[in-house]
Amino acid sequence: DTGVSQDPRHKITKRGQNVTFRCDPISEHNRLYWYRQTLGQGPEFLTYFQNEAQLEKSRLLSDRFSAERPKGSFSTLEIQRTEQGDSAMYLCASSSWDDNEQFFGPGTRLTVL
Amino acid sequence: QQQVKQSPQSLIVQKGGISIINCAYENTAFDYFPWYQQFPGKGPALLIAIRPDVSEKKEGRFTISFNKSAKQFSLHIMDSQPGDSATYFCAASGTWGNKLVFGAGTILRVKS
Repeated sequence: DTGVSQDPRHKITKRGQNVTFRCDPISEHNRLYWYRQTLGQGPEFLTYFQNEAQLEKSRLLSDRFSAERPKGSFSTLEIQRTEQGDSAMYLCASSSWDDNEQFFGPGTRLTVL
Repeated sequence: QQQVKQSPQSLIVQKGGISIINCAYENTAFDYFPWYQQFPGKGPALLIAIRPDVSEKKEGRFTISFNKSAKQFSLHIMDSQPGDSATYFCAASGTWGNKLVFGAGTILRVKS
């Protein structure tokens, strides 16, 4: 296993379009996290899953955002009707249920024009 | 109460010197304190982490010092190298799903 992978690495879209990102966690990890990082800031928590259950969502996750992890493996993060303020790096991380260590993927850089 | 405050914002160190980055937290429910290193265009990489039951942890050139009573912890990079030039983030988490709360980051530049 080569770690957490994310796809695409870069996405440029026009305001109002929908975008979807994918995250594949480390295979034996059952916890999966989404964070958002804007330029010059630390990552901010968005949501997390334990297996297929979404257990917590941040207030940052407006109703335009939705995340799924249908089979407890990969996860998708969809942003509907994108706004320029959505431009950021979207990071995925995974961990074991009994371990705090979170391992991050390379991120998806979203630019909304 | 969820914040983690990190300083300095940026740091320049000579090759071979010691880099020191500090963080402070308010929420006493935090019980796990990792440090991450991030290079431009990459995701954060876990460097080293500590729990409140120890005051210091060392891994190679990286040491975390932890002061539970002051609610502060710091990262020391010994014998700093140009390859250490990156952004460093402290973080903290508690038992509520282990979500990480990050500091704002420190941009480290090691001059050769």
